Amino acid sequence: QVQLQESGPGLVKPSETLSLTCTVSGASISSYYWSWIRQPPGKGLEWIGYIYYSGSTNYNPSLKSRVTVSVDTSKNQFSLKLSSVTAADTAVYYCARGFDGGDYSYYMDVWGKGTTVTVSS
Amino acid sequence: SYVLTQPPSVSVAPGQTARITCGGNKIGSKSVHWYQQKPGQAPVLVVYDDSDRPSGIPERFSGSNSGNTATLTISRVEAGDEADYCCQVWDSSSDHYVFGTGTKVTVL
Repeated sequence: QVQLQESGPGLVKPSETLSLTCTVSGASISSYYWSWIRQPPGKGLEWIGYIYYSGSTNYNPSLKSRVTVSVDTSKNQFSLKLSSVTAADTAVYYCARGFDGGDYSYYMDVWGKGTTVTVSS
Repeated sequence: SYVLTQPPSVSVAPGQTARITCGGNKIGSKSVHWYQQKPGQAPVLVVYDDSDRPSGIPERFSGSNSGNTATLTISRVEAGDEADYCCQVWDSSSDHYVFGTGTKVTVL
């Protein structure tokens, strides 16, 4: 059974960098697309970005200038860095596996439980 | 960028049918996927590729997609179906995932 687990600080100061790691168990990270998604309190889901196991990435244009997603295949992990955070970045952050169903069908079939990150001094 | 629009809320009595719409320009030409999210929990995929169900998802959950509207239908609604539901597509022009605005389903 594939499981994803987010880890990282729950509190980040304004202007600093948010760093999270997602550990994948039950499957190799050397396939699939691996995404980060966030959900501000009381709001909907926002896709942040993904990385393919080969290292290619793509980011939400609204966050692109501040986001870096990387992968460590030796540890079966991928990570998120979001720089220059503000209170607007306070959210539950999820990692998820992206499945390629072919013919432009891409969806997230396995999700982590999520981790709450609060930006505050 | 591609935009998906959902009604903020849908209310339904137990045993009745709930229909949740997801509007987007020519969405019928895309594959639509639906997620259920209960309070304090991560989203769960309930329908993929417009109308297919992952294993373990009840047959009461079904989907359709045509023109500018995709629809998630929940038949014989139960109290446990009360949750937020969100549609998602892949925007092939930018290689981005796009989520809908989300719909809260309330079971009366």
